[in-house]
Amino acid sequence: AQTVTQSQPEMSVQEAETVTLSCTYDTSESNYYLFWYKQPPSRQMILVIRQEAYKQQNATENRFSVNFQKAAKSFSLKISDSQLGDTAMYFCAFMKHATYSNYQLIWGAGTKLIIKP
Amino acid sequence: KAGVTQTPRYLIKTRGQQVTLSCSPISGHRSVSWYQQTPGQGLQFLFEYFSETQRNKGNFPGRFSGRQFSNSRSEMNVSTLELGDSALYLCASSFLAVFTDTQYFGPGTRLTVL
Repeated sequence: AQTVTQSQPEMSVQEAETVTLSCTYDTSESNYYLFWYKQPPSRQMILVIRQEAYKQQNATENRFSVNFQKAAKSFSLKISDSQLGDTAMYFCAFMKHATYSNYQLIWGAGTKLIIKP
Repeated sequence: KAGVTQTPRYLIKTRGQQVTLSCSPISGHRSVSWYQQTPGQGLQFLFEYFSETQRNKGNFPGRFSGRQFSNSRSEMNVSTLELGDSALYLCASSFLAVFTDTQYFGPGTRLTVL
């Protein structure tokens, strides 16, 4: 069975610093998808970034980028120039290569990120 | 375009009762997924509906059920509530599927079972 591990329950950094959240996963699949979701306090969960395993290039979205190491089964999220609005729970999620009738997201336990002014 | 909405936002029930939660997806989205979020178990996938049919299902007992209507609105029902069912229930919609499109989440329904 696939598992997703986020080893940092909580992190805090100063505003404008760069922070990296770690995520490792366990799977025997060769094709899969990886996601980072953000859940701000009392606000809705939103997708931050997604990566398809067959793509070697690391995904980026503005200040958010990932370091995808397929052999090491590692998928870390880097937030550059952190802002107060980045304060949130961050969840890493895995989904094996799917068909429309056979897929589900496997979630990590989350990392609480606090950006300090 | 309006986001995903869930009603009610908060609910208090007692053990043995049943409850129905509602989710209205983003207009045009046909896939609706439900998740349970608890401090102990984290986020767990319940099921997914597409075009009024359950397309995927997580590992939850049969007390958890759902349905989807022709307008893509979805309901989730939990019968014979247990204390352990206390959780934040999240609904999410996407146009076709999580792996093809961005999944958008609602604010959740906080269910407390006493």
